[in-house]
Amino acid sequence: EAAVTQSPRNKVTVTGGNVTLSCRQTNSHNYMYWYRQDTGHGLRLIHYSYGAGNLQIGDVPDGYKATRTTQEDFFLLLELASPSQTSLYFCASSDPQGSNTEVFFGKGTRLTVV
Amino acid sequence: GDSVTQTEGQVALSEEDFLTIHCNYSASGYPALFWYVQYPGEGPQFLFRASRDKEKGSSRGFEATYDKGTTSFHLRKASVQESDSAVYYCALGDRGSALGRLHFGAGTQLIVIP
Repeated sequence: EAAVTQSPRNKVTVTGGNVTLSCRQTNSHNYMYWYRQDTGHGLRLIHYSYGAGNLQIGDVPDGYKATRTTQEDFFLLLELASPSQTSLYFCASSDPQGSNTEVFFGKGTRLTVV
Repeated sequence: GDSVTQTEGQVALSEEDFLTIHCNYSASGYPALFWYVQYPGEGPQFLFRASRDKEKGSSRGFEATYDKGTTSFHLRKASVQESDSAVYYCALGDRGSALGRLHFGAGTQLIVIP
């Protein structure tokens, strides 16, 4: 069973604070993604990566950094958090080189910036 | 840019009713189309995909047909059950190696009344 694990599941921080969201996948997938989910917008891609040390910009990257340290681990960094970044964040992984085109999502991290 | 429009924000049905959720897309290329389902407290789960005109995707009694002429990929199910209550997302994805780079619609919440 493909697995994507996110931590923490819930986080509250103050405006201007520094936050790191973590994601680990045990699927041996090359691609990993960070999405944010907001009512009325569905899910929007922030950053993605196709391997350790690689980073690609998604559709809503402003205010976010990301780092892929290993094939398994992908981190999302908010260095100066703002209330507009209050959202539900999902990490995902996929292996589009194989026959399985499915994207596997974690359970999400709910971030509140006060 | 690429985008997906889901007409209905919420659909309420009784058990055994017929379901249609409308999905229209706008894309510069020839995208792959997806349906994902999300249950409370979970990340989105892949339902099925279609990648060429007139191709039908299906899973768990749900189906949708890729229509390039009308740029649509409407989700249908003949007889819904209470367990189908969830949020449904239509999405389009780039072809090839960036297949997990998905553009989601805003989502449609399905409520099935027993």
